[in-house]
Amino acid sequence: GQQLNQSPQSMFIQEGEDVSMNCTSSSIFNTWLWYKQDPGEGPVLLIALYKAGELTSNGRLTAQFGITRKDSFLNISASIPSDVGIYFCAGPASGGSYIPTFGRGTSLIVHP
Amino acid sequence: DAGVTQSPTHLIKTRGQQVTLRCSPISGHKSVSWYQQVLGQGPQFIFQYYEKEERGRGNFPDRFSARQFPNYSSELNVNALLLGDSALYLCASSPGGGDQPQHFGDGTRLSIL
Repeated sequence: GQQLNQSPQSMFIQEGEDVSMNCTSSSIFNTWLWYKQDPGEGPVLLIALYKAGELTSNGRLTAQFGITRKDSFLNISASIPSDVGIYFCAGPASGGSYIPTFGRGTSLIVHP
Repeated sequence: DAGVTQSPTHLIKTRGQQVTLRCSPISGHKSVSWYQQVLGQGPQFIFQYYEKEERGRGNFPDRFSARQFPNYSSELNVNALLLGDSALYLCASSPGGGDQPQHFGDGTRLSIL
């Protein structure tokens, strides 16, 4: 079955730094989704991408749908303490499957 | 507007027992999906229901079953519980089926003793 690989697995950064994380798939994706999960809560949708090459921003967050349709990137600019959490990429592979697949997440810790 | 609501928030069961988890989708959403999330991993897809019919099933044993009611709420049932079933069970809803972005509830934390 399809697999999503997220990297890095964890990040420890200083407040104010920029963050980059990525996600790669063994299959072509039609949609890429980025979620953030805080402890004790469910994942919250941050950005949805629907077209290869698409670049979408949500405040300090920017995500891109890779041209190959097998990868996606999430950048966070000027990190703040409330950015702490686990970031997941997700999406359904093409070919008629809409079973959503999630990566294992990137854990972000921001030091004040 | 209320988001996806799940009940109970926490549950403790013993091996061999059965459990029923409940989910109410966002108003107007007709699709509900269930996920299992174990510590340190991303959510794993269990079921998706749309208009009361099963639209997708993940790689879970037959001990796991679900249904969707006319008001679009849903229940997840797990029989013959095993220690490995301990996890956070998440429900997500979307307006329709397919690959529309899903909105998650805060989950039910199930612990098996």
